[in-house]
Amino acid sequence: DAGVTQSPTHLIKTRGQQVTLRCSPKSGHDTVSWYQQALGQGPQFIFQYYEEEERQRGNFPDRFSGHQFPNYSSELNVNALLLGDSALYLCASSLWEAEAFFGQGTRLTVV
Amino acid sequence: AQSVTQLDSQVPVFEEAPVELRCNYSSSVSVYLFWYVQYPNQGLQLLLKYLSGSTLVKGINGFEAEFNKSQTSFHLRKPSVHISDTAEYFCAVRKAAGNKLTFGGGTRVLVKP
Repeated sequence: DAGVTQSPTHLIKTRGQQVTLRCSPKSGHDTVSWYQQALGQGPQFIFQYYEEEERQRGNFPDRFSGHQFPNYSSELNVNALLLGDSALYLCASSLWEAEAFFGQGTRLTVV
Repeated sequence: AQSVTQLDSQVPVFEEAPVELRCNYSSSVSVYLFWYVQYPNQGLQLLLKYLSGSTLVKGINGFEAEFNKSQTSFHLRKPSVHISDTAEYFCAVRKAAGNKLTFGGGTRVLVKP
């Protein structure tokens, strides 16, 4: 079992650009959540996808959007990147309300 | 809404000494409680969780935590730490219904030889 896999592992983007991060959930999981972890802080919930729909959303602007595919994999898109979007982006998968398993994260640096 | 406060941002400790990491939470509804560990440049790994039942929860790597409802606390303990326990530790809560996790700010544990 490969667990939760995220790609890419590192990414450098310029202010104003757009970025797409990808997540493959653990085998058998149907729910994907995304978190942003700024340096020195705890993860903050961005949103959650289940059955290809956004089910919950945290306090993030509309520049943050996502998608879930029929195979349960997910993408996180961020438009009009700001320096403050630099962070580790974590994907977590679960079987609906069961325990969440986290991926290794994607380190996004905006310059 | 839920919130989590981790009272210590950093905890230095000598190898083989005990350690306690403090976590307090606030919620108007029943919650589940979790401790995660994050090693450098890695994701989060679940150490232990409290869902219901016995208030003393045992987890992986010799860690345990005690849920105290009256004090709204969920402190993490290990009787004897190893160098390999050097990491950041996060306390988290979620509502019993739903799976959005709310995390504390983290406690960095540095184990010294």
